[in-house]
Amino acid sequence: DAGITQSPRYKITETGRQVTLMCHQTWSHSYMFWYRQDLGHGLRLIYYSAAADITDKGEVPDGYVVSRSKTENFPLTLESATRSQTSVYFCASSESRGLYGYTFGSGTRLTVV
Amino acid sequence: QKEVEQDPGPLSVPEGAIVSLNCTYSNSAFQYFMWYRQYSRKGPELLMYTYSSGNKEDGRFTAQVDKSSKYISLFIRDSQPSDSATYLCAMRSSNTGKLIFGQGTTLQVKP
Repeated sequence: DAGITQSPRYKITETGRQVTLMCHQTWSHSYMFWYRQDLGHGLRLIYYSAAADITDKGEVPDGYVVSRSKTENFPLTLESATRSQTSVYFCASSESRGLYGYTFGSGTRLTVV
Repeated sequence: QKEVEQDPGPLSVPEGAIVSLNCTYSNSAFQYFMWYRQYSRKGPELLMYTYSSGNKEDGRFTAQVDKSSKYISLFIRDSQPSDSATYLCAMRSSNTGKLIFGQGTTLQVKP
């Protein structure tokens, strides 16, 4: 199916564990983004990527790692999960530097216990 | 001070009302302005897109940008219960691909 898909939709993990959230897009968009959404903070950019093998930090990168070996995939890894990383995570993609906005995935709801 | 300010609400209106949602911003370099709609437990979806100043209309929705006041608005005419969602403003400058989002305003339209 065409579009942007995130997996898993829901995840519960324990403090200290490593967890990876997946994001896959089928449009060959050059730009991809990871956001977290929390009450009182709105959408905050974690990392973004302008192309394969090019990534850069956003507003709240600490505790997260990304990679982009292929244009269509942009996984986000929490190296050692903390309770403060409990959030809803959204992946997004765009072409042409987001000239016409981003397309978002449906989100991953992560709970760290 | 945040670059983009948006009142989180919640805003509750009766069906058929005209709704006005607003954002202010501080960065005069912003040129591209967008409104996203986000239903509960879904990802944001692009609703309206405006470049620079002026108005843009799409059905019951009108987006307005006033760059001199650093103020953008989204008007919803004849609001429907299906319009109940969170509305996020977003904007960017011409030299970056990064969108800056407002906090989002939660709207409830009561039948």
